[in-house]
Amino acid sequence: DAKTTQPNSMESNEEEPVHLPCNHSTISGTDYIHWYRQLPSQGPEYVIHGLTSNVNNRMASLAIAEDRKSSTLILHRATLRDAAVYYCIRNSGNTPLVFGKGTRLSVIA
Amino acid sequence: DADVTQTPRNRITKTGKRIMLECSQTKGHDRMYWYRQDPGLGLRLIYYSFDVKDINKGEISDGYSVSRQAQAKFSLSLESAIPNQTALYFCATSDLTPNNEQFFGPGTRLTVL
Repeated sequence: DAKTTQPNSMESNEEEPVHLPCNHSTISGTDYIHWYRQLPSQGPEYVIHGLTSNVNNRMASLAIAEDRKSSTLILHRATLRDAAVYYCIRNSGNTPLVFGKGTRLSVIA
Repeated sequence: DADVTQTPRNRITKTGKRIMLECSQTKGHDRMYWYRQDPGLGLRLIYYSFDVKDINKGEISDGYSVSRQAQAKFSLSLESAIPNQTALYFCATSDLTPNNEQFFGPGTRLTVL
């Protein structure tokens, strides 16, 4: 049970921003929100994580709703290299990550 | 050199054979994991270990066993392989932090005929 809900697929044009949504309505107070992505033929890689406040790093931004029941991963300018499956995961840190099916992002040149 | 390595990268075997997949890490992490991925699906947890003396079953442990020989090594065994164990297998490691960032190996593609 991944405990998060994501769209199966999304499409974006190259160099445009992408907003990937995730619902986690049953999130507990100690759960972090993690995002990983899996490029073709590779293992998943960490993208970003947050608890309550919005977060930015060199790869992406994470916007967390005030009630923490949803979040959005923002890629500011999609490139062809960003085409991947993106996984949204809620986790308290004391248990292994549980991966759902994620969102398959296609980037159109 | 890669922080998390898996051997072999590809393996074709026959039904009933015993297979061992090996994972090594140089990150110094205590926690190690084995996941399985089937086409079009996310990763499912097979076994995990939070330190050398700790072994825990995951979501789909039936038909698999593991050995944590040292902090850096975590092996996955299929005692008697069957065709529905054909999949991509990933090893991962993490440290004990709230971040719980997991670092994944490149995967082993296993085919059971």
